[in-house]
Amino acid sequence: GENVEQHPSTLSVQEGDSAVIKCTYSDSASNYFPWYKQELGKGPQLIIDIRSNVGEKKDQRIAVTLNKTAKHFSLHITETQPEDSAVYFCAAFNDYKLSFGAGTTVTVRA
Amino acid sequence: NAGVTQTPKFRVLKTGQSMTLLCAQDMNHEYMYWYRQDPGMGLRLIHYSVGEGTTAKGEVPDGYNVSRLKKQNFLLGLESAAPSQTSVYFCASSYKAGQFEQFFGPGTRLTVL
Repeated sequence: GENVEQHPSTLSVQEGDSAVIKCTYSDSASNYFPWYKQELGKGPQLIIDIRSNVGEKKDQRIAVTLNKTAKHFSLHITETQPEDSAVYFCAAFNDYKLSFGAGTTVTVRA
Repeated sequence: NAGVTQTPKFRVLKTGQSMTLLCAQDMNHEYMYWYRQDPGMGLRLIHYSVGEGTTAKGEVPDGYNVSRLKKQNFLLGLESAAPSQTSVYFCASSYKAGQFEQFFGPGTRLTVL
């Protein structure tokens, strides 16, 4: 089955700096890669996604890149703000299910 | 719209007890999912449903059963709870499988003593 690895597990950044989270996947058949943000005590919420036929996608301060050859994808958050503090999960869709990474706890320091 | 709701929010069980977690969605989604979230392990799929009256096993189905009698509801049952089932359980729904957003509920925190 699909195996998604996510790094780092924790990330502390100064407000205004950028944050980068990286994920790798194992199955080349995976074709959809969403990123979810989970705030304390809440369920995960989709923030951005990318399909296998696209290399990069941007939405305001958030961008995602995909390298199919290397089987890795990354989340970039620019100009971080305190409300960006949360746990972020990457995922890969293959066959019938999403396989999630273990999560990255992002803390934005004021 | 309420989106995806889960009942209860918290529960403490003793080993061997049974319980049912209820998930409801008001988005007319065909697909529904149950995940468990454990520290350092992300979310793992327990069971899922592709429509009313259908269910299928996910990645970690042992010890759980599910039912989808109505399109808007998806029930997760634990017949004989074990401490290894202590976790946070999330329900999600989506319009279809694949490249469609999954909408998650707020979660149920279950502790089995």
